[in-house]
Amino acid sequence: EVQLVESGGGLVQPGGSLRLSCAASGFSFSTYDMHWVRQATGKGLEWVSAIGTVGDTYYSGSVKGRFTISREDAKNSLYLQMNSLRAEDTAVYYCARERITRTLGEAFDIWGQGTMVTVSS
Amino acid sequence: EIVMTQSPATLSVSPGERATLSCRASQSVSSSLAWYQQKPGQAPRLLIYDASTRATGIPARFSGIGSGTEFTLTIFSLQSEDFAVYYCQQYNNWPPYSFGQGTKLEIK
Repeated sequence: EVQLVESGGGLVQPGGSLRLSCAASGFSFSTYDMHWVRQATGKGLEWVSAIGTVGDTYYSGSVKGRFTISREDAKNSLYLQMNSLRAEDTAVYYCARERITRTLGEAFDIWGQGTMVTVSS
Repeated sequence: EIVMTQSPATLSVSPGERATLSCRASQSVSSSLAWYQQKPGQAPRLLIYDASTRATGIPARFSGIGSGTEFTLTIFSLQSEDFAVYYCQQYNNWPPYSFGQGTKLEIK
């Protein structure tokens, strides 16, 4: 079964750090571009970051310079290191797979169940 | 940055009827447009990609059309499980991969 499972969410104080993980299974992880998308409670979807199969990275303006996306293909894992966290980063964070291998700029066909990040003192 | 605008924000339709949801891009995204369905407490699910192609396992009652800046998702003969929030997303000009703000489809 093709699956993505996020972990690492939790409560963190403003200015703190958190590292999210996404474990992939059931497909050839190394051949797919991957993304993080977040959703604040009761709000819409917001794209956060992407990483290509060759390690190229992309960020939304709201997280650039604070978040770092990475991948470890040997472990079929995607990560999001979040530093200098703010209250407005509070959201459910989803990892998602692009539909076509090795081609950034496609729809997201597989999503994880999400992990909640709460930034509060 | 391309801004995606969905309308209406909320749509009330009776089961068995047709629902029409709209999505507009602030500049052309060609046919690089996806539609997602999200139910409470669940992750989004891909319905339509490339503006009009149904994703694997998506019933034929879901139909997408459009190109450039104007897109429509039509759901024919609404079933109870179709009442959810729907998002459009462009992936032509990125980053960012912009999402619309969503349309909530509710039972009338």
